[in-house]
This record gives sequence, structure tokens and C-alpha cells, in this order.
Amino acid sequence: GESVGLHLPTLSVQEGDNSIINCAYSNSASDYFIWYKQESGKGPQFIIDIRSNMDKRQGQRVTVLLNKTVKHLSLQIAATQPGDSAVYFCAEIPDSGGGADGLTFGKGTHLIIQP
Amino acid sequence: DGGITQSPKYLFRKEGQNVTLSCEQNLNHDAMYWYRQDPGQGLRLIYYSQIVNDFQKGDIAEGYSVSREKKESFPLTVTSAQKNPTAFYLCASSILAGATYEQYFGPGTRLTVT
Repeated sequence: GESVGLHLPTLSVQEGDNSIINCAYSNSASDYFIWYKQESGKGPQFIIDIRSNMDKRQGQRVTVLLNKTVKHLSLQIAATQPGDSAVYFCAEIPDSGGGADGLTFGKGTHLIIQP
Repeated sequence: DGGITQSPKYLFRKEGQNVTLSCEQNLNHDAMYWYRQDPGQGLRLIYYSQIVNDFQKGDIAEGYSVSREKKESFPLTVTSAQKNPTAFYLCASSILAGATYEQYFGPGTRLTVT
């Protein structure tokens, strides 16, 4: 089965509100996580990453939180804009092999921004 | 202008034909990857290569083949043995050094087999 998954397949928020997208993972040995954004018909784009020795990391309008106790990852997007509409994936490095073996992706959450 | 290119963007084939998808990168990345994406699904790893002339099977390699004769190129062949080839195919690359394991993705090729 999937070692990385998302709680909600679709999330609808009002423009200007904050969004929180969740992700659960099952491999406690995973030590690196990435959030990607994928717009329709395009390849995924890197948003932010976090290592397992951190519990929070901030970027521009985005924050990733990692709770290793419950194996949960979240992406917070502040003041959502129409351009934030996309599918968001979390991905993990499933072992300590340095990522050379590829990432494990969850199914994704479709974020819809309502005007 | 560095990046990953995939061609063509759309590809149509008849069942029973092999088809090769192109992936080129000028980022000087060591590793390259092929993923498959089905509607409403995440990405699944088909093949990956960490170095020229070497590659490994991913989670769903059956019915696919790859080659890595040059560092910048990693073509994927979808063979007639692949039972469900219609999908969106994504190529990625990464540098196997430093503090980040970020993979850079190309724009994808949508393959339709009828």
C-alpha cells in the first residue's frame, strides 16, 4: 500500500484565507519530505522541503510542519491566491539512501480557490 | 536557460506499437527518473538511473525499457507488453550531492494508446 497519503482529496477555500493541506506517512525511517505543486497538464514544481530533524520550515507564504510522533506532515499556505489552485503532493525519501532511488508520492490534494 | 525538456507533449499510438518518449536535461544532474501519473493519482516510479550506462527498475517497470547512454538523456520506451500504457509520463532529474534531494520535473508527455 501507499506509505504516503493525504487525508482530503479536494480542499476548497476562499481567496485570501489560509489553507492547510495534510499528509500522513507510514515509514518512520523517512528522513526527508518535499511538497510539490502541480498545475493542470504540467509537471510538479518544488514548493518546500523539510528534514526529519526539523519540525517546522517556512518559505514565502508557505509553512511546512512535521510531526514525527504521529507521522504527519502539513503544508500551510497563507493568504491564498487564484494562482494557488493546483494539486499538491507530499513526497518522501523512503530510506536514508540519499534520494537516489526516487521519491514516494501521495495521491495529492486538489486545492480550489473560491473568488 | 537550464531545465528538463520532454517531447512531444502529446503522443498518440495504436495498440501493439512501441513508442519512445524523450527526456533531456542540461542541469548536469547525475540522476534521472521516469514516473507515470494516472488521473487523480500520485506519481509512480517506473525506472531511474544514477549514472550513465546504469539504471534500476522502479515500482512499475513491467512493459517499459530505458537507456542512459549520455548523462543528459534518459529516453523511455513504452513497449507493446505494457497492458495499460495510456497515462501522463513525467521525467525528473536530481543532483546526488548537497543538502537537498529535490527532483526537477519536465513538463510531461501525455500518451494515448487506442
